[in-house]
Amino acid sequence: DTAVSQTPKYLVTQMGNDKSIKCEQNLGHDTMYWYKQDSKKFLKIMFSYNNKELIINETVPNRFSPKSPDKAHLNLHINSLELGDSAVYFCASGLAGGPSSDTQYFGPGTRLTVL
Amino acid sequence: DAKTTQPTSMDCAEGRAANLPCNHSTISGNEYVYWYRQIHSQGPQYIIHGLKNNETNEMASLIITEDRKSSTLILPHATLRDTAVYYCIVRVRGGADGLTFGKGTHLIIQP
Repeated sequence: DTAVSQTPKYLVTQMGNDKSIKCEQNLGHDTMYWYKQDSKKFLKIMFSYNNKELIINETVPNRFSPKSPDKAHLNLHINSLELGDSAVYFCASGLAGGPSSDTQYFGPGTRLTVL
Repeated sequence: DAKTTQPTSMDCAEGRAANLPCNHSTISGNEYVYWYRQIHSQGPQYIIHGLKNNETNEMASLIITEDRKSSTLILPHATLRDTAVYYCIVRVRGGADGLTFGKGTHLIIQP
C-alpha cells in the first residue's frame, strides 16, 4: 500500500553513464516533485510537475530531465553522470491548490553513487 | 518564502514533551507555518501546519504566537522513534512549487 515509491533504492554507476530513477504515486495527486539531498544533508527542490507541465526548474544542470508519462509517474533521467551528482534523490507528490495543499508525501529515496 | 531560524540540535528525555522553537520574524500575512521531519535514511514526513490559530493532530501540536513571528512544535510524549531532523517551513499555501528546507533541528530523544 505504498503511497510514493521509488526504484531503485540504491544505484552505483560510473562517471559518464546515463541513468534513470523511477517514481510512482498512488495517491491521486496532481503534482510531483524531485528533491536532492547532498552529503551535507541539505534538501533542495529540483523539479515539480503539475498535470504534465513543468512548473519549476531550479538551477539544475540540463543533464537532469524529468519525464512524466502520466499523472502517477515522474521519472528522473540523468545524462553524463558526474561525481557531484552523488546524493540521495527523493520523489514527492502533493495536491497543489487544494484544501490540503502543501502536504507533500515523500518516497523512501534513491541513493546514487557515482564512481 | 520567509526565512526561518531553528536551533541546530536539542535533546529531550523519552516520555517528556519535546518543544521545538522556530523563529520566522519576516512572515507575511498569507504565509503558513509547516513542520516536516526526516527520520534517518527516510524521506521527509509532514507533521502539521497552521496560519495563526494553534493546531493539534495525532502527531503534534503547533503553537503560533499572536504576532506570528515565532512558533513551537510540541511532541507531547516523545519516544525514541521521534529522533529526527525537524524542519520549520514558512510558505504561501496552494503553490505548486517545492518546499524550501533549511537546516532544521536535530532532535535526539534520550532513553
